[in-house]
Formats: sequence, C-alpha cells, structure tokens
Amino acid sequence: EPEVTQTPSHQVTQMGQEVILRCVPISNHLYFYWYRQILGQKVEFLVSFYNNEISEKSEIFDDQFSVERPDGSNFTLKIRSTKLEDSAMYFCASSATDIGYNEQFFGPGTRLTVL
Amino acid sequence: GQNIDQPTEMTATEGAIVQINCTYQTSGFNGLFWYQQHAGEAPTFLSYNVLDGLEEKGRFSSFLSRSKGYSYLLLKELQMKDSASYLCAVSSASGGSYIPTFGRGTSLIVHP
Repeated sequence: EPEVTQTPSHQVTQMGQEVILRCVPISNHLYFYWYRQILGQKVEFLVSFYNNEISEKSEIFDDQFSVERPDGSNFTLKIRSTKLEDSAMYFCASSATDIGYNEQFFGPGTRLTVL
Repeated sequence: GQNIDQPTEMTATEGAIVQINCTYQTSGFNGLFWYQQHAGEAPTFLSYNVLDGLEEKGRFSSFLSRSKGYSYLLLKELQMKDSASYLCAVSSASGGSYIPTFGRGTSLIVHP
C-alpha cells in the first residue's frame, strides 16, 4: 500500500539554525501539506502546495518557513532560523484532490527539538 | 473563523460501545473528518461525512447533522487497541481550498 514517508524521524537542532524536513508524498498525489503538532496540542495546518506553488498558508507560516518541491518526488519544509517554540511534530500529508472527499494521507512525522 | 469542540478525555470498558461527540461552528462547511491518532504517531483517516446521517464502517460509525453543527463517532465492541486520541476535523471552503481544521482531540482510554 502506498504511503507518505518523512525523514528524519527526529531532528535536534540549536536555536537559530536552519532545518530542512523532507517528505516523499504518495506518487500519484498532486496536493501536499505540512502540519505541525506541539506536544499535547492539536494538529495545526501550516501550508498547502499544488502545481509548484503555495495554494494556502496559515498565520503560523511566516517568513521563517518555506516549502519546495525540488524534484519529482520530494517535498520539503525549511525553517530558516529555528526558535524554541518551533519544537513540535511536523507531519507531511498528500491527497489526490483538494476538494470534497479530499482524504489526506499523513506521513509518520518528524519530531523537531530546538535547544 | 472555526470553532471545534470535543471532550478532552473519555474512558470505556473493553467490549462496550462509546460515542465521541464533536460540535463545530464554521462558514462554508464542506465536510467533517474523523481521524484516529495513537500517541507519537500520525493521524489515520477513519471517516468523512458531508451529508446528514450515519455512515457505518465496520466497528466504527460516524454521524453528521449539518443544521446542528454536530457529529459523533461511535465505536462498538471496543478493543484495547482502540485506546487513542480521536480527532474531529472540519473542512470548509476558505481561500478556495478545503483545508481541514482539527479539534483538540478526545483521548479515549479503554480498560479491561
């Protein structure tokens, strides 16, 4: 069964450093998403991406964040200068469509710890 | 904006039935998802309701009333492995795309 994969599973970084989180969406999906979940809190939408551009982003997704699809398979989230409050689980998701029954398939997540 | 409410925690006995409620307020409602999330893992899809009524899928059923802004997830024949967080998420047309907004989740504890 096709699945979304994410690397690394756990990333530890120092405050102010740049991190890149990587995702490989399901191969025939066209819509890609990043979410985050701070420990003990709800899943929060960050950004959606389609046709090589951002289609929607939340207020969390400020200038410190960027996304890219550098090739035909990877989808990355970059945080330019990490802050302590960026510590969270980051989930990538993909879907075949973005309207109606847009079931999103989530990857296993990357746990980011900022020290 | 959107507001999604669900109980923080529920407990139930193995073999029993449990109903997890979710109420929401939103504009441009498109549909409602239920996801299951085990601790430290990703959410996994359980159900999607767009029309009023009950959708049954094995031991799990989901109900929606659009006029009341209300949904519930019904779990039958509870098993220990059903101990998890259950996330209600509302999809609405915002900015031209349908992004689900998640509630805080209901932590279900199933005990023997």
